[in-house]
Amino acid sequence: GQQVMQIPQYQHVQEGEDFTTYCNSSTTLSNIQWYKQRPGGHPVFLIQLVKSGEVKKQKRLTFQFGEAKKNSSLHITATQTTDVGTYFCAGPYGGSQGNLIFGKGTKLSVKP
Amino acid sequence: DTAVSQTPKYLVTQMGNDKSIKCEQNLGHDTMYWYKQDSKKFLKIMFSYNNKELIINETVPNRFSPKSPDKAHLNLHINSLELGDSAVYFCASSQDLVGGRWAKNIQYFGAGTRLSVL
Repeated sequence: GQQVMQIPQYQHVQEGEDFTTYCNSSTTLSNIQWYKQRPGGHPVFLIQLVKSGEVKKQKRLTFQFGEAKKNSSLHITATQTTDVGTYFCAGPYGGSQGNLIFGKGTKLSVKP
Repeated sequence: DTAVSQTPKYLVTQMGNDKSIKCEQNLGHDTMYWYKQDSKKFLKIMFSYNNKELIINETVPNRFSPKSPDKAHLNLHINSLELGDSAVYFCASSQDLVGGRWAKNIQYFGAGTRLSVL
């Protein structure tokens, strides 16, 4: 069945270091989304990428969608303690535009 | 105002009991979902409803029964609770599926219900 894989599962960084999480889909995606879940919180939408090769930035966060629309990455420059949380990628599931299949997430911890 | 609200936030109960979780959204969205997040943080869709109609029903035991009285509400009833049902359950909503516009599948999550079955 359709799968969305994320690596690494965990990442521990020193504050100020960069961080990257990678997402790979078993199928071509019409779009990919990224969500952030703070400890004890709920997933919150960050961004959606739609076009092949698309790159979007949100302050220190850079999101990329691969040319084949099967992979994506999230890069955080100079991490801060506020970046702590689990980052999920998600893509449309089962051909339906509404339903999403989520990756297992990358849990980021930042040491001050 | 909270966009997607779930109650209760915490639910502790004994095995074999029946319990319900309620969800309401005030975003005017047409589609609502239930997700289960296990202890490893894996987020898995259980059900989705579009305009009160069941769209997707993943491999979920039939002890779980969703009910949508109107498009702003999607409740989850669980019969004969088991230890393995312990998890965080999230309700979410998104705009209309019809038309296939992928910009509309952005999901808004409730704060979650942490269910502990003893």
